[in-house]
Amino acid sequence: QSALTQPASVSGSPGQSITISCTGTSSDIGHYNYVSWYQQHPGKAPTLIIYDVSSRPSGVSNRFSGSKSGNTASLTLSGLQAEDEADYYCTSYTTSNTLGWVFGGGTKLTVL
Amino acid sequence: EVQLVESGGGLVQTGRSLRLSCAASEFSFNDYAMHWVRQAPGKGLEWVSGITWNSGTIGYADSVKGRFTISRDNAKNSLFMQMNSLRAEDSALYYCARGFCGSMSCSLDYWGQGTLVTVSS
Repeated sequence: QSALTQPASVSGSPGQSITISCTGTSSDIGHYNYVSWYQQHPGKAPTLIIYDVSSRPSGVSNRFSGSKSGNTASLTLSGLQAEDEADYYCTSYTTSNTLGWVFGGGTKLTVL
Repeated sequence: EVQLVESGGGLVQTGRSLRLSCAASEFSFNDYAMHWVRQAPGKGLEWVSGITWNSGTIGYADSVKGRFTISRDNAKNSLFMQMNSLRAEDSALYYCARGFCGSMSCSLDYWGQGTLVTVSS
């Protein structure tokens, strides 16, 4: 199964907004509205920040937002803060595998 | 708070076997699908396998199909992964994750802290 495509890195200054793209195919992002985003700090497990394209779990900051158009999903983080510096992964349910999920390669966010 | 605690990782030789476990608590384990996701050192996440609440449907990534077997024991709130014919490329931190799929919603919503598997010759 091919991974979803994310930029390797993005950066922004405190207070700014950034957007991370995640490109898949008609078998995953284009087929399902089951796109999730995870934040992973070094040495920690991933935590869910967006699910079902644009929903936020309880307790996740409303500075995080998600969207989708065709085969591409996007994560936007507004009002950047130092603690947002982390790796971000997208994932989508896929038709390519029973019960399967496909992940993006991850994007390193640097807060300048 | 949902808790998932993995165990069973370690250093193993190429071609040997290992069995991972995941102990679940603070939720109704037998209501949820469960998954294994791995992360090689310094690399991204890779879905490995998933199993529905009643073990009726099971899926594997192509990279492990025929070598790994997922199972669960709902009476013991536990998830397992039997890993045979291990290869160097199987070296990774293995996470147990809860799968939530409702009528219009689906995600891997809670993850454990992982157990490290190192395969070496």
